Parts: sequence; C-alpha cells; structure tokens
Amino acid sequence: GAVVSQHPSWVICKSGTSVKIECRSLDFQATTMFWYRQFPKQSLMLMATSNEGSKATYEQGVEKDKFLINHASLTLSTLTVTSAHPEDSSFYICSARVTATNYGYTFGSGTRLTVV
Amino acid sequence: DAKTTQPTSMDCAEGRAANLPCNHSTISGNEYVYWYRQIHSQGPQYIIHGLKNNETNEMASLIITEDRKSSTLILPHATLRDTAVYYCIVRVNYGGATNKLIFGTGTLLAVQP
Repeated sequence: GAVVSQHPSWVICKSGTSVKIECRSLDFQATTMFWYRQFPKQSLMLMATSNEGSKATYEQGVEKDKFLINHASLTLSTLTVTSAHPEDSSFYICSARVTATNYGYTFGSGTRLTVV
Repeated sequence: DAKTTQPTSMDCAEGRAANLPCNHSTISGNEYVYWYRQIHSQGPQYIIHGLKNNETNEMASLIITEDRKSSTLILPHATLRDTAVYYCIVRVNYGGATNKLIFGTGTLLAVQP
C-alpha cells in the first residue's frame, strides 16, 4: 500500500517550452505532497510543499513562477516547469505524507528532465 | 533544524553486516531519526525510523544511543542489491502542520562481491 505514481519517468523538451510532471497517490489520500530536485551526484533538495486546495510553500531560492505546483485534489499534485532551460535539467521526485502508515512518507520513482 | 553527519562512502563485503553511522548531536526530544536509501535513478525507499528505542524490521536494525546524539543502521547480511546511497534524516516539524524530510549528503554504500 501507500504507492505514489509519478509520470513521466523521463522527458526531453526544447528550451523555452513547459513540462508538466504528475504525481498521484494510488491507494491513499495525500493532503500534503513534497517536490524535490536532484542534480547528478548530489542529494535531494526540497523545492516546495503542496497542500491540497491551497498554495504551495516554496523553499528559499526556488522560483515559484518558474516551478508551478498545483494540488487540486487529494490524489494528484503536478509540477510544471515553465520556460525550461538546460540548467533545469534534473531528476525531479515527488513525495507524499502517508498518515495511515508507520513510516509516514512515500516517494515517487522520479522524472528525469532533459532540456535541449 | 537538527543536522546529520554521515561518512561519504563505505564498502562492505557481500554477506557481511553493514553498519552505517550517523551523527545528529543537535536532535531535539521530539524528533525522530529516519533512514531512507536511494538506488541509482530511483526514488528514495523507506528503511526504518525510531525515536529513542532500538528498532528492527525485515530490512534492518536501528540502534540509537542513549543520549540520542548518534545512531547506526545495520543491514545484517548485505547483498549486491543493497548498494545505494543511505540517508539519515531527522524529521523537522514546522508549526505541527507539515513535517518535511530534509536530506543530507548520505553515505554511498558499495557492497563488494
């Protein structure tokens, strides 16, 4: 149980275009989801926290107009990278709080974004 | 926020126990210690967590010192598939409403055949 499905697993886009990444909780309701970014050989960096039905809370230094987060339902959160540039190429991972489990957090499988 | 310190990398022979240390000297009384691991190009996987008592599950054991300033994750019989980056995380709590997991640099465990 407590599975988070993340799509797409990889995407290549042209510079200047926008890309949407979806994160779905399959068998539970996720009132809170988290979005991370990971550059090669680095740790996960928390970008933002999204709560269903309200605006996301962004970490310091993360551009909220560039990384649009929508959490309109209890099972879906999306991250849209707007006007993507090569420096946005990274591994993006979502996570959800699972209050019904013993461990509390589950992660998606990640999305490899390459901007060319 | 409590920070964690882990060795950058460790080697372990296949079949032997892997002991991964973590220092969290500024941990506060109500903060838990979580362990996750990340196999290359995948999302992190939960391993175990604890507050003050030692914990064991089907994957690993977690030993927390009495003063809670450090802990050790033990994989009793490491296999090649345990090669991954292991993250020790102290859970932060902002206003009681949202608990975020902040990842440190982790330990790259390489299990050798």
